[in-house]
Amino acid sequence: KQEVTQIPAALSVPEGENLVLNCSFTDSAIYNLQWFRQDPGKGLTSLLLIQSSQREQTSGRLNASLDKSSGRSTLYIAASQPGDSATYLCAVRRHNDMRFGAGTRLTVKP
Amino acid sequence: GAGVSQTPSNKVTEKGKYVELRCDPISGHTALYWYRQSLGQGPEFLIYFQGTGAADDSGLPNDRFFAVRPEGSVSTLKIQRTERGDSAVYLCASSLQAGGPTDTQYFGPGTRLTVL
Repeated sequence: KQEVTQIPAALSVPEGENLVLNCSFTDSAIYNLQWFRQDPGKGLTSLLLIQSSQREQTSGRLNASLDKSSGRSTLYIAASQPGDSATYLCAVRRHNDMRFGAGTRLTVKP
Repeated sequence: GAGVSQTPSNKVTEKGKYVELRCDPISGHTALYWYRQSLGQGPEFLIYFQGTGAADDSGLPNDRFFAVRPEGSVSTLKIQRTERGDSAVYLCASSLQAGGPTDTQYFGPGTRLTVL
């Protein structure tokens, strides 16, 4: 059974700092990996999707990498802002379901 | 509509009661998914529809849970004889078509279910 782990569970940084969130998974037979953002009381917003054949994806200040063979992904956030404060979830997909990690709760202090 | 919508946003019920949760997917999306998210955890897959049929219901925890999508658009998640452990946020997602490495799921805001 696919297990997805995210480290750290919570992270607090000052505004402007660059940071890395980590995601690991146990079964490398995946279609893709997605990073989501979740604000309190809200649904999930897709940030980046990396296909299994890709190594990384970039969107603005966000960069996600995927090392399928080692079962790892990282989300890099450059020049963090208070508006980046949220919970970040990674999810791996195989067939029709996605397996999520428990998330990293990020707080960016002004 | 612009996105996936779910109603109600909050539902409080008593143990043993029956509840229905509704999901309106993005227009034209053939695939629809239900997830359950407990506090401090990531969403957990429940069931997936392709069109009107439940293509994968392996995530439903027991036979108290059932979901339908009779016309291939709106879906209803039904929970019978609710238990306190059913309390969670129920999320719905839709995608243009299931499968494939680029298929992106779009999530609704969820329904927060509280069983007293």
